[in-house]
Amino acid sequence: DVVMTQSPLSLPVTLGQPASISCRSSQSLVYSDGNTYLSWFQQRPGQSPRRLIYRVSYRDSGVPDRFSGSGSGTDFTLKISRVEAEDVGVYYCMQGTHWPPWTFGQGTKVEIK
Amino acid sequence: EVQLVESGGGLVQPGRSLRLSCAASGFNFDGYAMHWVRQAPGKGLEWVSGISWNSDRLGYADSVKGRFTISRDNAKNSLYLQMNNLRAEDTALYYCARGSRRVSGPGGDYWGQGTLVTVSS
Repeated sequence: DVVMTQSPLSLPVTLGQPASISCRSSQSLVYSDGNTYLSWFQQRPGQSPRRLIYRVSYRDSGVPDRFSGSGSGTDFTLKISRVEAEDVGVYYCMQGTHWPPWTFGQGTKVEIK
Repeated sequence: EVQLVESGGGLVQPGRSLRLSCAASGFNFDGYAMHWVRQAPGKGLEWVSGISWNSDRLGYADSVKGRFTISRDNAKNSLYLQMNNLRAEDTALYYCARGSRRVSGPGGDYWGQGTLVTVSS
């Protein structure tokens, strides 16, 4: 199975400052159709996961443009340009290329300093 | 509006069985793969099982293979997870999540609120 490794696992940030989370996969996530099925999810305390980004860099509907995704192959990044209080939670990367299974990163806890 | 509503969780003794259901609405259910993802208390997300739109492809996490069975009824817009021989380590909040039109793809755009399964004597 593909292993997804996130860093850091804890990310204290100052309101209004940028934040960045790294996600690396143990093998390339490029699918046979040429697409890369790497997604990012946000899970706020007490809530279900919410997808923010799919196919590396496409924002889901309603996701603020301060969230952006980038990367290719095995190396991916989620960036928050200016952290707001509502961004507190745990962020997961997930690969959907090599199914089964879906595999998630360990999660990165974002908190306000 | 897309909705996924899980049910069937509860407290069960080790070795017993439980069947989870996920009622889908607001989209063409038979056009999408569907998945179960669980989250143990205080832990991360773990994919459990997935099924293609027409049930011809099934997948299971190694941790549940041979004990859990996923199925769907497109006529009823429903997804199921039959869980047998439950163990304490199966204790978790179980989410139903929509996949993509193929089993491999960007999935996870919609999630239910989860149903809690507690395995304890």
